[in-house]
Amino acid sequence: DAGVIQSPRHEVTEMGQEVTLRCKPISGHDYLFWYRQTMMRGLELLIYFNNNVPIDDSGMPEDRFSAKMPNASFSTLKIQPSEPRDSAVYFCASSLGRGNTEAFFGQGTRLTVV
Amino acid sequence: KQEVTQIPAALSVPEGENLVLNCSFTDSAIYNLQWFRQDPGKGLTSLLLIQSSQREQTSGRLNASLDKSSGRSTLYIAASQPGDSATYLCAVKAPGGYQKVTFGTGTKLQVIP
Repeated sequence: DAGVIQSPRHEVTEMGQEVTLRCKPISGHDYLFWYRQTMMRGLELLIYFNNNVPIDDSGMPEDRFSAKMPNASFSTLKIQPSEPRDSAVYFCASSLGRGNTEAFFGQGTRLTVV
Repeated sequence: KQEVTQIPAALSVPEGENLVLNCSFTDSAIYNLQWFRQDPGKGLTSLLLIQSSQREQTSGRLNASLDKSSGRSTLYIAASQPGDSATYLCAVKAPGGYQKVTFGTGTKLQVIP
């Protein structure tokens, strides 16, 4: 398996624009996580899915953020409208089952909102 | 609310030294603890996963220990190499079937040739 695949790797956009980040989890993994990493706050869990269903979105900072998982092999994180303070690295991770299993991370998308 | 702290924030050692990275967490009710490595501009690579019932895990030159009662974990790296230079993160998973994972602040390690 190629691992967790995220696209794009880098995104630069203007304030107010819509941004869509994409993730392809490892085949067969039934959990998918979206994280945000900043220097100030470190890694924060935004939302996670189990079998394509959102389970906990309490980490989503504002209504401007939304995430979907239309099928087991694809998820999106959308920011609309984007703001400069959204600039961060966004990671997607997936894992198999629950409990004592490792999470595998993608390479991340570095988002810069100017 | 679970808080995870890693000390030191940065560490610089000469090649060949053995070193210890520390991770502490405030809520001892955890499901497991995972150590990751992050290289600049890259994602996270899982190093070791310790279940709440375990005391330690080993992989090659790495050994991670867990003391749940005191809320501590250590990552021991033997015979450090320049290729070990990276940021090391620990993460704890909450119990009860929830997948909520709290990450530590990270330790940036530099191994000098």
